[in-house]
Amino acid sequence: AQSVTQLDSQVPVFEEAPVELRCNYSSSVSVYLFWYVQYPNQGLQLLLKYLSGSTLVKGINGFEAEFNKSQTSFHLRKPSVHISDTAEYFCAVSDSNYGQNFVFGPGTRLSVLP
Amino acid sequence: DVKVTQSSRYLVKRTGEKVFLECVQDMDHENMFWYRQDPGLGLRLIYFSYDVKMKEKGDIPEGYSVSREKKERFSLILESASTNQTSMYLCASGSGLGGIDTQYFGPGTRLTVL
Repeated sequence: AQSVTQLDSQVPVFEEAPVELRCNYSSSVSVYLFWYVQYPNQGLQLLLKYLSGSTLVKGINGFEAEFNKSQTSFHLRKPSVHISDTAEYFCAVSDSNYGQNFVFGPGTRLSVLP
Repeated sequence: DVKVTQSSRYLVKRTGEKVFLECVQDMDHENMFWYRQDPGLGLRLIYFSYDVKMKEKGDIPEGYSVSREKKERFSLILESASTNQTSMYLCASGSGLGGIDTQYFGPGTRLTVL
C-alpha cells in the first residue's frame, strides 16, 4: 500500500524568502507524484506532476519539485515566495498498478508573512 | 479549461436526512472521484467511477453511496446523514488510460450536519 508523509503541517515564511515543502512517500511499485495547491475556500489545483523523465519538474507559479527515488522524496521548492502563495499544499502519489488510486498527504499550510 | 462544478458550496442538513451532492464535469473524462477533506487528515477517497454505471469503493465508503447514470455526472448520496459526516466534500475528474493523470477538482461542498 502507498502512503504519503508531509512532515511539516505548517510553514511560516517571510515574503521573498525561499521555501521548501517536504514530501516523502512509500510504495512498492513505480509511482507518479503530484503537488496540488488549495487556496482558501477553493478546490485543489494542480501545481506540477512527475510521471517519468527528468526528475526536476517545473510547475505553475514558479514552483518546482525534484523526484528522488533513493530518498523516496518529492520536495516542493520556490526560490522567492509571495503573499499570494499563502495556501495549503498537498502531495499525492499514484502507482503504476492502479493509477486511479491517488493517495494524498495530510497537507502543509504555507503562510507567507509581509 | 476543464470545469468541474458542484451543486452547492455550502449545505446544512439535519441528522437522518438523505443528502445528495452533485458533481458535473465538462471534459468527457472517464474517471470521477469523491473525496472528503478533514483538517489534519488530507483527502480521503470515498468512491470513484471508471465509467457510466460503474463504481468502486475507496478508503472510507461506509455511510455513502454513489450514482453515475451519465458520463458527466457523479452523485454522492448520504442515505442518513450523521454529525460525523460534517466535512468538506470534493469531487474530481480525470482522464488518461488507467487514470494515471491529473485529477481536476471542483470547488468543494462544505456540509454541516446538525
